Amino acid sequence: GAVVSQHPSWVICKSGTSVKIECRSLDFQATTMFWYRQFPKQSLMLMATSNEGSKATYEQGVEKDKFLINHASLTLSTLTVTSAHPEDSSFYICSACGLWSYNEQFFGPGTRLTVL
Amino acid sequence: DQQVKQNSPSLSVQEGRISILNCDYTNSMFDYFLWYKKYPAEGPTFLISISSIKDKNEDGRFTVFLNKSAKHLSLHIVPSQPGDSAVYFCAANFGNEKLTFGTGTRLTIIP
Repeated sequence: GAVVSQHPSWVICKSGTSVKIECRSLDFQATTMFWYRQFPKQSLMLMATSNEGSKATYEQGVEKDKFLINHASLTLSTLTVTSAHPEDSSFYICSACGLWSYNEQFFGPGTRLTVL
Repeated sequence: DQQVKQNSPSLSVQEGRISILNCDYTNSMFDYFLWYKKYPAEGPTFLISISSIKDKNEDGRFTVFLNKSAKHLSLHIVPSQPGDSAVYFCAANFGNEKLTFGTGTRLTIIP
């Protein structure tokens, strides 16, 4: 099946620093990638949708200047949390889908971000 | 506005019995529904899906039922196994739109 990886799997950083999370589709070309955030015991909240070569579409309430998304190729999207603060601590998950199906998204393993 | 709801945050089932997870939705435009399984600190794993033109889809131990008039779907797992213990999310979308996830149900299988 389609495999999506994320790197790093966990990261601890100081407040004010920026953190970059990578999402890669390993065995297929992902025309669209999604970034989600999950708080403890809560659902997955979609942050943004990115299509290769174009600007990401952010969900209402998500600061695009804080969460920078780049989808430079059909196999790689990055999420950069700029000037991270403790309230940004969360579990970030990406997903990807290919040309054959938009409905079935394949999820990465997630990245646990802790901001001290 | 929570368009996809899973009203049971948790469910415990004896091993070997049937697990039934429920999901309700409010948006009548939804025409595709999916169930995902998630372990802690991992991304969701796709389990099974169903299109609105069907009312049942089966894959091994997993069966999803869709009742469009009631805007309700359910996931049946039989027989339940300890490895099924996880959080289950239902999700829905229409056309090529984004997925909307439910709040999840934590399933615990008791040996």
